[in-house]
Amino acid sequence: SYVVTQPPSVSVAPGQTARITCGGSNIGSKSVHWYQQKSGQAPVLVVYDDTDRPSGIPERFSGSNSGNTATLTVSRVEAGDEADYYCQVWDSSSDHVLFGGGTKLTVL
Amino acid sequence: QVQLVQSGAEVRKPGSSVKVSCKASGGSFSSYSINWVRQAPGQGLEWMGGIIPILGIANYAQKFQGRVTITADKSTNTAYVELRSLRSEDTAVYFCAKNAGGSIRYYDYWGQGTLVAVSS
Repeated sequence: SYVVTQPPSVSVAPGQTARITCGGSNIGSKSVHWYQQKSGQAPVLVVYDDTDRPSGIPERFSGSNSGNTATLTVSRVEAGDEADYYCQVWDSSSDHVLFGGGTKLTVL
Repeated sequence: QVQLVQSGAEVRKPGSSVKVSCKASGGSFSSYSINWVRQAPGQGLEWMGGIIPILGIANYAQKFQGRVTITADKSTNTAYVELRSLRSEDTAVYFCAKNAGGSIRYYDYWGQGTLVAVSS
């Protein structure tokens, strides 16, 4: 079955750029979606279809997807961006939705 | 603006069942799918399955096949997830989430979550 892999943690200083990866076999051929989850809250969609942002999500959040890696980039990181981030794909062969294990973004 | 409101926290004993509800307001209930995602304490998100209310057809994650049933009542715009033969590992927050319509596979609105605690 298909597996998506994320690093457990990423740390970055305020104002810097954070890059959170999501790995999977030929993931570039799939649509990847990203969610932000702050402590005790429901997840919030921040990027969908690899690169698109829902209304209300700052332009500082962007995505890319190629080859075996998809990436969520958070530019000019703020303290309020500290959260867990999850990537999500749909595996057509199993008709299952899959989440990565999540990455904790820490703002130093 | 769609809003998903879930039922309250539940405590169950091992071996029993639990049924959690998710009531949708705003939008057309039948035009999107409702999915259930759970999160064990300190763990990541886990997709359980989903249903397209207009069709009444549910799709389940293999891990939960035979133990979970997802249903939808179009008359009340409410979806349900029932999990049977509960064990301590089922202790988690259960979220409902709607997709963005049709066969789209990402979730743009989420419920607030329902804690299910399984303990003897």
